[in-house]
Order: sequence, then C-alpha cells, then structure tokens
Amino acid sequence: GEDVEQSLFLSVREGDSSVINCTYTDSSSTYLYWYKQEPGAGLQLLTYIFSNMDMKQDQRLTVLLNKKDKHLSLRIADTQTGDSAIYFCAARKESASKIIFGSGTRLSIRP
Amino acid sequence: DTGVSQDPRHKITKRGQNVTFRCDPISEHNRLYWYRQTLGQGPEFLTYFQNEAQLEKSRLLSDRFSAERPKGSFSTLEIQRTEQGDSAMYLCASSPPSDEQYFGPGTRLTVT
Repeated sequence: GEDVEQSLFLSVREGDSSVINCTYTDSSSTYLYWYKQEPGAGLQLLTYIFSNMDMKQDQRLTVLLNKKDKHLSLRIADTQTGDSAIYFCAARKESASKIIFGSGTRLSIRP
Repeated sequence: DTGVSQDPRHKITKRGQNVTFRCDPISEHNRLYWYRQTLGQGPEFLTYFQNEAQLEKSRLLSDRFSAERPKGSFSTLEIQRTEQGDSAMYLCASSPPSDEQYFGPGTRLTVT
C-alpha cells in the first residue's frame, strides 16, 4: 500500500541549514507536501510540489524531488529556534481525497 | 475568515461514554476531511465529505464512529462507547476543489 517514510529526529545548530528527507512508495503520487506541527497545534502547510517539478524554492525553504527514486527533501536555510517543530512529509494522488503522512521528523535547534 | 476551527480543543471522558466533536471549515470550502493522529505518528485519514455527501470512509472508522455534515457546512464526529484506544488528536481539514487541505487546531481526546 501507500507509505511515506522519514527519519524521526534531526538536530542542527542555529544558523545552519536543515535537510529533512522523505521517501514514498506510490509512484502515482501527484502532490507532495511538507507540513509543520508545533507542540499542541494543528498542521501548517509549509509548501508543496507537483510531481512534474524537480525543485521549488520559497524564501528559506527549498524542496527537491527525485521522482525516479521517490525521494523528497526539505531544506531550511539559516535555521532559527522558531523552526523547532515536527515536520511531516505527505503525498496525495491526483484522484484521491486523502493525504498519506509520514511519521514526522522532530527538528531540534542547538544554540 | 480565520481558518478551520474545532470544538472542543480538549476532551476528557470515561471509557464507555459518547463524545461529539465539531468542525467549522473555511467558508466556501466544499470539501471537509477528518484525520486521527496518535502520539508519535502522522495523521491518518478517517473520512471525507464533498458538500453534505460522505464520499469516502477509512477502515479505521469502526461502527462506533459516525460523521455528518448535514448542510454542507460544519461537520460533527461522534464516537460511541469510547475505548482507551480512541485517545488521540482528531484533526479536521477543509479545501476548495482540487486544492490544498487546511487543517484546524485539532481536538485532543483522552479516554480514562
């Protein structure tokens, strides 16, 4: 079935770049998302990319998609303490209503 | 419109009791979704409405769960005879057609 996998933890120094990686199994996934969840809060859509794109940049965020390897990454430049959160990778097929989420990567920032 | 709202934000109930949650989507979003998120996991899809029609239900949605969207606006999710395994965050999302899903803050359910 459809599955989205990501590493559980990432620790980076403040000011460095963070790179969160994700793999998905369903090659027919059309929309690939990154959501951010802060403690006790709902999910905030950070960015998304269509499967026919390789890269999308939005201010400090860069998404890279390797469709052949079904690999997605999120790079956060100049990581700040406010970036501490859980980041979810997610995928959706064109014809589907539901989004399939990974288990989330907890990003912690070292001073 | 400030976004998707959910009520209550927290609910503590005893095992065997019934609970009902409400979701108010973003105005004019015709699609509404319910997800469940347990500790340390990503959200899992429960059900989806287009206007008032419930078009898809996950096998996670047992007979004790029922969702409605009677007028195509707000939605309710009811859990009957709650069990400890129902303890989770229940998330609602809404979207216009063929667009991103916007999530509410969630209702955290604790079954004691």
